[in-house]
Amino acid sequence: DAGITQSPRHKVTETGTPVTLRCHQTENHRYMYWYRQDPGHGLRLIHYSYGVKDTDKGEVSDGYSVSRSKTEDFLLTLESATSSQTSVYFCAISEGRGAGGELFFGEGSRLTVL
Amino acid sequence: GNSVTQMEGPVTLSEEAFLTINCTYTATGYPSLFWYVQYPGEGLQLLLKATKADDKGSNKGFEATYRKETTSFHLEKGSVQVSDSAVYFCALSLPYNNNDMRFGAGTRLTVKP
Repeated sequence: DAGITQSPRHKVTETGTPVTLRCHQTENHRYMYWYRQDPGHGLRLIHYSYGVKDTDKGEVSDGYSVSRSKTEDFLLTLESATSSQTSVYFCAISEGRGAGGELFFGEGSRLTVL
Repeated sequence: GNSVTQMEGPVTLSEEAFLTINCTYTATGYPSLFWYVQYPGEGLQLLLKATKADDKGSNKGFEATYRKETTSFHLEKGSVQVSDSAVYFCALSLPYNNNDMRFGAGTRLTVKP
């Protein structure tokens, strides 16, 4: 199994509070991703990183920010959580670009915003 | 835009039944196609993939063939087991841009003894 750890695994918070989810990898992969999973939508890309301090937006980036200060850590921050951000968040990593790239996923972080 | 459409679930089958989960795609260029599986309480894991037209991906008795003419990548298994109960996701990525992997909505499969 790819060494990907997400924390926290479960969190309940209130609307308007900040939340940070952490993804830690031990594989030294260059690319890291944050997805959210919602019924009927599958997985949608929030942000991704292609190196330390190099990040870019995905399909559903509004209301989220990310940071990557070390190769192994990728943080997802909700500055002011809203109920629409209740979801399961998955971190993924990959070795690189190009056809046939495989994503390796963490176990997910379930966030509930009341 | 690039997208994947897969059959809605849930799908419920008896053990040893034949499984088909349909997946069609829309893409500019020539995508790679994937099936991922998510077991309860876990993250997604790659089940199989195909990177060019007419390629067949296979793993654990599952198969899918990349059909460019019908823009499809249907997942099949000849005889399902209870342990195959999971959610299955079809996905695509474009060459030199697999930072933007697009997933279908997922199909939940339940196999009953």
